[in-house]
Amino acid sequence: EDQVTQSPEALRLQEGESSSLNCSYTVSGLRGLFWYRQDPGKGPEFLFTLYSAGEEKEKERLKATLTKKESFLHITAPKPEDSATYLCAVIQGGSEKLVFGKGTKLTVNP
Amino acid sequence: NAGVTQTPKFQVLKTGQSMTLQCAQDMNHEYMSWYRQDPGMGLRLIHYSVGAGITDQGEVPNGYNVSRSTTEDFPLRLLSAAPSQTSVYFCASSSGGIPSYNEQFFGPGTRLTVL
Repeated sequence: EDQVTQSPEALRLQEGESSSLNCSYTVSGLRGLFWYRQDPGKGPEFLFTLYSAGEEKEKERLKATLTKKESFLHITAPKPEDSATYLCAVIQGGSEKLVFGKGTKLTVNP
Repeated sequence: NAGVTQTPKFQVLKTGQSMTLQCAQDMNHEYMSWYRQDPGMGLRLIHYSVGAGITDQGEVPNGYNVSRSTTEDFPLRLLSAAPSQTSVYFCASSSGGIPSYNEQFFGPGTRLTVL
């Protein structure tokens, strides 16, 4: 059973059409949940870290939220340059190992 | 700062050959790690290090060796390459030795093909 599940696998939006990406996790004693952005042919780029349920963080058109079982990455009025694969990762209690989900590939059409 | 650098960018090996993927960072980060990324599998942790002289296994360590003799460098060795090791390999580092509380910086990746 996957510890981190991201949905949908792929999402196509029109420019300006807001939506959300989901990351659900089953690890116990969450130490941290991370969001990364990955462009084709490049390494992941850090976006956010969330530590406790109810926490929210924002960066430009992106807003990440966390509950006890899942995290959402909300994208408001996306632009074509937001097209990328968004990765979610968690660290569980007693570990320093990141466990990644398989990612959501976002395409924003002009 | 160059950040996290990886060499080579591309490599083709024959089954049974050995090679070392190089990773270096100039940010004085204590924590370094290696991941592989395969289609449909996401990023999977191979090995990690919390400081010079200290390494530990990740999720998929078989077939790979690591050592950490300096803070800056964290090479990944393939002793006898197999087609199943065809993948894109990423090195990452974070400050403070604890990725829970510190941003991880990823390198640009090495694309390895084993024939």
